Amino acid sequence: GAGVSQSPSNKVTEKGKDVELRCDPISGHTALYWYRQSLGQGLEFLIYFQGNSAPDKSGLPSDRFSAERTGGSVSTLTIQRTQQEDSAVYLCASSQDQNTGELFFGEGSRLTVL
Amino acid sequence: AQKVTQAQTEISVVEKEDVTLDCVYETRDTTYYLFWYKQPPSGELVFLIRRNSFDEQNEISGRYSWNFQKSTSSFNFTITASQVVDSAVYFCALRRNNAGNMLTFGGGTRLMVKP
Repeated sequence: GAGVSQSPSNKVTEKGKDVELRCDPISGHTALYWYRQSLGQGLEFLIYFQGNSAPDKSGLPSDRFSAERTGGSVSTLTIQRTQQEDSAVYLCASSQDQNTGELFFGEGSRLTVL
Repeated sequence: AQKVTQAQTEISVVEKEDVTLDCVYETRDTTYYLFWYKQPPSGELVFLIRRNSFDEQNEISGRYSWNFQKSTSSFNFTITASQVVDSAVYFCALRRNNAGNMLTFGGGTRLMVKP
């Protein structure tokens, strides 16, 4: 498809388990972002990849969270030893131009930690 | 520190009414950018507008208009003659200059337009 694709769309896991969320950005977009949207809350920045530069991880809430982007395209967000407070919608976005502010978002991965 | 406040968490209007969504921001930067995004029920945020801090001209796009007031640090969004399809969560966001596209989002305003 032409848009940002995220999988899985829904994930239910047990506390303490690891989860991986995948993002396939729009082809040709050099920048990729992960945001977290908790119930009734705004969007919280997590991590930002721009080309081959080192990612900006300043938004990751703890060392249980990590992300990688392979080949400048697909990204995986990994949450280790999940906690109930990790339950949220994880949104991925990509952009072609790092300065326009026009991000193209996926539909998100809803994570529920029981 | 940067902050975006959308004081209205939820607004309900009847179709054809005009509605204004408020956005107040805080930043120490002299150059910055402001945005509005729409999140329909499908969940995918859609970019609506970008405004830089040097351009205080109001903008109109169809039924949408934006009022940027630097003196009050506000960037309000008005929908004229609202329609049911306007029902969504609307987010205001702020970006520092030279910050890539890292946006600071407000908490969002859920707009419900009833027929």
